[in-house]
Formats: sequence, C-alpha cells, structure tokens
Amino acid sequence: AQTVTQSQPEMSVQEAETVTLSCTYDTSESDYYLFWYKQPPSRQMILVIRQEAYKQQNATENRFSVNFQKAAKSFSLKISDSQLGDAAMYFCAYRRTGGGADGLTFGKGTHLIIQP
Amino acid sequence: NAGVTQTPKFQVLKTGQSMTLQCAQDMNHEYMSWYRQDPGMGLRLIHYSVGAGITDQGEVPNGYNVSRSTTEDFPLRLLSAAPSQTSVYFCASSLGIEGTEAFFGQGTRLTVV
Repeated sequence: AQTVTQSQPEMSVQEAETVTLSCTYDTSESDYYLFWYKQPPSRQMILVIRQEAYKQQNATENRFSVNFQKAAKSFSLKISDSQLGDAAMYFCAYRRTGGGADGLTFGKGTHLIIQP
Repeated sequence: NAGVTQTPKFQVLKTGQSMTLQCAQDMNHEYMSWYRQDPGMGLRLIHYSVGAGITDQGEVPNGYNVSRSTTEDFPLRLLSAAPSQTSVYFCASSLGIEGTEAFFGQGTRLTVV
C-alpha cells in the first residue's frame, strides 16, 4: 500500500519570503498522480497544484511550484512571495492510476504560518 | 453550480444513535468518496463509489455504510455511533478521468458523546 509522509508538522515564514514544504511517498507503481491541497481555517479543501508522474517537467501555478523527484519519491511544494492568505494546513496526496477509484492517500499535513 | 454539498455542517450524537450524513454533487461526476479527518492523521478514505449502484470500501470502513442510488447522491450512514467516530467528515467527487481534481464538500463536524 502506498504511504505519504510530510515530515514538517509546522512551518513558519515571513510575508513575501519563500517557503518549501516537503513530501515523500512510497509506492510500487510507475504511473500515478500527486497533489497538494490547501485547507484554510474555513475547512474547505482546495487544490493547489497537480503533477502527473509521467511528466518530467515540474508543475507551476502562479506563486506555487513543485520539485518532483520521481526516483527519490519526493514531491515538495515551493510557495514564493508568501502572502497572509497562504496561511493554512497543506496536505500532500497521492492517487494511483487505474481510474483513481480507490481515492486519495493523504499525508498528515503541514501547518503553514505566515509572519507579517 | 453548487459543487459538492454536505449536510449537516455540525452534529452531536449520543453513543449508539444512528444517522446519515448527506452528500450531493451537481457536476455529473462519476466518482464520489467519503473521508474522515482526525487531528494529526490527515484524511483517510472510508468508502468510495465509481458510479450509481457501485460502492467499495476504503481504508477505514468499519461502522459505516454507503449506497449510491443516483449519480448525484452518496450518503454515509453511521449504524451505531461510537466516540471513536468523532471526526470531521468530507465528501468528495471527481470525473471518471484519471488524475482529475477531487472537489470537496465543506465537511461535517461530528461529535459522539
């Protein structure tokens, strides 16, 4: 079974600075998808960024980018120019191919604090 | 579009009571699933469905039942509530296409006393 590990329970960054959240995963599959979800205090789960394992190019979405290292099974999230609105829990998630019918496997999350 | 709608948002149950958490989506998504979120545990999959009439168990299915009679609705039933089921419950849906985004409801905070 696949597992997802987020080794940083909490991170703190100054506003406008850059922060990187770590995620590693364990799987025997060669094709899969990786996601970062944001959960603000409102509790809503919001997709931040998505990466297909077969793509070598790292995904980017505005201020958010990933460093995907398939051989190392690492999937870190970099947030540039941090803003107060980025404060939230961040969850790394894995989904295997084959329809994704068995859902997402989540890490335990990283609480990101933005210092003004 | 309302997206994924969960009701209720909050609920307190007594041990042994039963209840149904409702989930509805208006995006014509084939895949629907239920997760529970406990402090320090992330989200864990309870049950999922790949279409009307088809359901299967996830990582933590004990104590929960589901059914999928329509594409839109995927209710989660607690048969006999236990304090260990105190959690925040999320319903999610996605297209039947690999790698597509899962859309989540707002969650239901359930307390069993």
